[in-house]
Amino acid sequence: EDQVTQSPEALRLQEGESSSLNCSYTVSGLRGLFWYRQDPGKGPEFLFTLYSAGEEKEKERLKATLTKKESFLHITAPKPEDSATYLCAVQAKNEKLVFGKGTKLTVNP
Amino acid sequence: DAGITQSPRHKVTETGTPVTLRCHQTENHRYMYWYRQDPGHGLRLIHYSYGVKDTDKGEVSDGYSVSRSKTEDFLLTLESATSSQTSVYFCAISEYDYEQYFGPGTRLTVT
Repeated sequence: EDQVTQSPEALRLQEGESSSLNCSYTVSGLRGLFWYRQDPGKGPEFLFTLYSAGEEKEKERLKATLTKKESFLHITAPKPEDSATYLCAVQAKNEKLVFGKGTKLTVNP
Repeated sequence: DAGITQSPRHKVTETGTPVTLRCHQTENHRYMYWYRQDPGHGLRLIHYSYGVKDTDKGEVSDGYSVSRSKTEDFLLTLESATSSQTSVYFCAISEYDYEQYFGPGTRLTVT
């Protein structure tokens, strides 16, 4: 059974304090790993797709990396507007997306 | 929100009544999905569609049915709502059953 575990459940940072969120997964034949951002009361917003181990993608202060067992979302010098819940999902070949429970990030000014 | 609307955005209904949620897209994507999101759980797939009149069950399909008579519309029906179906429901679309784009959600409360 495909599984996705995100850690920590919640993270508080000071503005400018860099950190990483973790997404560990078990899947038979990874087709893709996806990162989403979700603000309160809104739908998830697509951020990145990673296809294979060693791949990296960047967007502003966010960088996502992928190994064979986990993905990291690195946040460099975060700002209060980066506060949100970050969701990770994996898709195996011929299967549907499986989501983790998310990491709630709070960045204090 | 990638040309996706959901209606209604909020609904309160009584146990035992039927409820239909609507998802409308303007992107002409082939795949459409219904998820529910509850505290302590990740997003869970209810049903999905891979074309007009082509649908299949997801992980938590009991108590739900769907219909897709047009490319742009995907309806989720709760035939007889129960309190366990109180949740936030999200519709998503995808061109190739890959990257998915989500709507704004519908908050449903069953009393």
